Order: sequence, then structure tokens, then C-alpha cells
Amino acid sequence: AQSVTQPDIHITVSEGASLELRCNYSYGATPYLFWYVQSPGQGLQLLLKYFSGDTLVQGIKGFEAEFKRSQSSFNLRKPSVHWSDAAEYFCAVGARRGGADGLTFGKGTHLIIQP
Amino acid sequence: NAGVTQTPKFQVLKTGQSMTLQCAQDMNHNSMYWYRQDPGMGLRLIYYSASEGTTDKGEVPNGYNVSRLNKREFSLRLESAAPSQTSVYFCASTPRDGEAFFGQGTRLTVV
Repeated sequence: AQSVTQPDIHITVSEGASLELRCNYSYGATPYLFWYVQSPGQGLQLLLKYFSGDTLVQGIKGFEAEFKRSQSSFNLRKPSVHWSDAAEYFCAVGARRGGADGLTFGKGTHLIIQP
Repeated sequence: NAGVTQTPKFQVLKTGQSMTLQCAQDMNHNSMYWYRQDPGMGLRLIYYSASEGTTDKGEVPNGYNVSRLNKREFSLRLESAAPSQTSVYFCASTPRDGEAFFGQGTRLTVV
């Protein structure tokens, strides 16, 4: 069965500092990988996705993530965070066939931005 | 495009009451899903429908039923609500090979 681990429940970062959110997955084959962001009281918005090809993927809002097959990781990074980045971040994995049986989500990382 | 629309946005039920959460998507996606979100648990799959006319259980199906009414609509029914079903419910849809698109959620409280 597939699974996703986000080791950090909370992360606090100063505004303007760099950010890395960790994600490790377990899956039998090469998966589809996603990062979503959720602002309080809102739905989930896709930040970026990896299907194949270049292992460094660019997303919206200045985020990027790197797929490392050898480490089963898909960590999210941003060089300089803004106060508006404070939110809950979810990593997810899906099956190659378009996720017909749904995505499996990590438990999320709550990002706090210090002024 | 509206994307994925869920109704209602908020609901309070008494224990034992029933209700149906509605979801509709206008993106012509084949697959649709219901998730629940609880603090510290991430999103957990309740039921999914890979295509019109089919439904399957996810990770946490007990206490729920679903209906894939047509390609656009996928409803979630609580026949006898319990406090343990207090949660935020999200509907999502996906194309054949792509990311999930989520609705805005339904915040359900069972008292």
C-alpha cells in the first residue's frame, strides 16, 4: 500500500528566510507526486506536480520540489518565504493511471511565518 | 468554470439525523472522490468513483454511502450521523492522468 510521511508537523520560519518541507513516500512503482497548500478555511490548491521527466519541478508562488527516487523523497522548497505563505502543506502520492483509486496524503505540515 | 462545487458549506446535525452532501464538477472528469479531513490526520479517502456507474470503498467508508448520479455528480450520504463524523469533507475530481481538483469543503458538526 502506498503511504506518505511528512516528518514535520509544524515549522516556523522567519519572513525572507528559505524553506524546505520534507516528504517521503512509499510506493511500488514510480508514482505521481503532488504538493498542495491549504489556507485556513479553504480548499486545497495544487502547488506543483511530478509525473515524469526533469526531477526538479517548478510550481506556483515561487515553490519548487525535487524528486529523488533513491531517497523516496519529494521535498518542497522556496528560497524566500512571505507572510502569505503561512498555511498547511500536504504532500500526496497517486497511482500512474491517473489516480483512479485516489491520492494518498501525508498528515500535513503547518507553516508559521515569523515577522 | 466553477470547477468542483460542494453544498452545503456548513451543517450542524444532531446524532442520528441523516443528510446528503452534494458534489458536482463541470470539467468532464471521469473520477470523483470524497475525503474527510481531521486535525493531524491529513485527508483520508472515504469513497471514490472511477467512472460513472461505479463506486468503491476507500480507507474510511464505515457510516457512509455514496451515489454517482451521473458523470457530473457524486453525493455522500450519512444515514445516521455520529459525533465521530464531525469533520471537514472534501469532494475532488481528476481527469485520466492528472492532479485532483478540490471543492471548498463542507464543515460538518454532529452534536
